[in-house]
Amino acid sequence: RKEVEQDPGPFNVPEGATVAFNCTYSNSASQSFFWYRQDCRKEPKLLMSVYSSGNEDGRFTAQLNRASQYISLLIRDSKLSDSATYLCVVQQTGANNLFFGTGTRLTVIP
Amino acid sequence: DAGITQSPRHKVTETGTPVTLRCHQTENHRYMYWYRQDPGHGLRLIHYSYGVKDTDKGEVSDGYSVSRSKTEDFLLTLESATSSQTSVYFCAISERPTDTQYFGPGTRLTVL
Repeated sequence: RKEVEQDPGPFNVPEGATVAFNCTYSNSASQSFFWYRQDCRKEPKLLMSVYSSGNEDGRFTAQLNRASQYISLLIRDSKLSDSATYLCVVQQTGANNLFFGTGTRLTVIP
Repeated sequence: DAGITQSPRHKVTETGTPVTLRCHQTENHRYMYWYRQDPGHGLRLIHYSYGVKDTDKGEVSDGYSVSRSKTEDFLLTLESATSSQTSVYFCAISERPTDTQYFGPGTRLTVL
């Protein structure tokens, strides 16, 4: 069983739409959670950390449900520039315990 | 952007040849990591370093070795490249193991 599972998509949405991605993780002892964004043929970049109380950064909202072991990312008012692959990342204790999902591909259509 | 460079950015090599990839950072971060990214898999950790000359294995370390003789450089070596090692390789850095990791631009390696 994979440590982190995501729906690979693709999600094709029109500009201005709201889109949500979910991710599940298998280890209940996981400590930290992140969403990274990866553009085509580029490196992953941190989009936002995910806190237990939920957090928002502009049009992006991240939520964590520890009981169900899932993480979500909501993007409101989608822009063309949001087109990318979104990686769910879970960190356990130690330096070698960062686990990546395979990513969810989003395409925002004019 | 974090000061991380990788070289080469692209490489094509033949099966059985040795290959060394270099990661260089200007952030003076203690931790450095090598990942590979393949279709259908998330990024997977190959090796990491927690200081000069201090390294440890990750999830997919077979066939790879690493060295870190200076804080700023972390080398990944494929002693005898195989086609299964065709991948995109990313280096990452962090100051502490629980900190956010910042990634280099990647090296696209093709083993024929």
